[in-house]
Amino acid sequence: NAGVTQTPKFQVLKTGQSMTLQCAQDMNHEYMSWYRQDPGMGLRLIHYSVGAGITDQGEVPNGYNVSRSTTEDFPLRLLSAAPSQTSVYFCASSTGQGREQYFGPGTRLTVT
Amino acid sequence: GEDVEQSLFLSVREGDSSVINCTYTDSSSTYLYWYKQEPGAGLQLLTYIFSNMDMKQDQRLTVLLNKKDKHLSLRIADTQTGDSAIYFCAEGGNTPLVFGKGTRLSVIA
Repeated sequence: NAGVTQTPKFQVLKTGQSMTLQCAQDMNHEYMSWYRQDPGMGLRLIHYSVGAGITDQGEVPNGYNVSRSTTEDFPLRLLSAAPSQTSVYFCASSTGQGREQYFGPGTRLTVT
Repeated sequence: GEDVEQSLFLSVREGDSSVINCTYTDSSSTYLYWYKQEPGAGLQLLTYIFSNMDMKQDQRLTVLLNKKDKHLSLRIADTQTGDSAIYFCAEGGNTPLVFGKGTRLSVIA
């Protein structure tokens, strides 16, 4: 199993550009989530999904969209990038909402 | 709301024991987790404990849970330079996991 994969590993965007961060898992996990990690702030939940077709907002959802059309994929879309979205983004999956999460390697995003 | 607190830094000498502490607020948490993050990598699950347990041991790792005080600790025996990393505790139950801000462990050779 590849586990949780994320692409790209690194990305530089200009303010106002849009892009999609990809996340896929091959463990047949129902629950998937997106976090951002910033220095001194720990991990903050952006959006999560308890199954295909169902998504919900986390702590910091503004400026981000998600969809969950399949069990395997959970892309995160930045609608109009802002410098405040410069961060490292992690995708995770698990068998259930409160269960142990398995993390991808992360995407390091810089917005100039 | 739910909150998880950890001290930010810990420095120990190689061969000593490390103890990383965590407090949480949600008394309905079912699982409590410890994750390790090495530089440039994602979070790796180290161990977890059910809320009805007091202790769990896994090789060099010992997790202690004081449910009354909502206090969780991770003890690493015989700490090695490879243990240098950021350690996160997290609580989980019927809501998404809540993570602490992480404790940066530095191991001095």
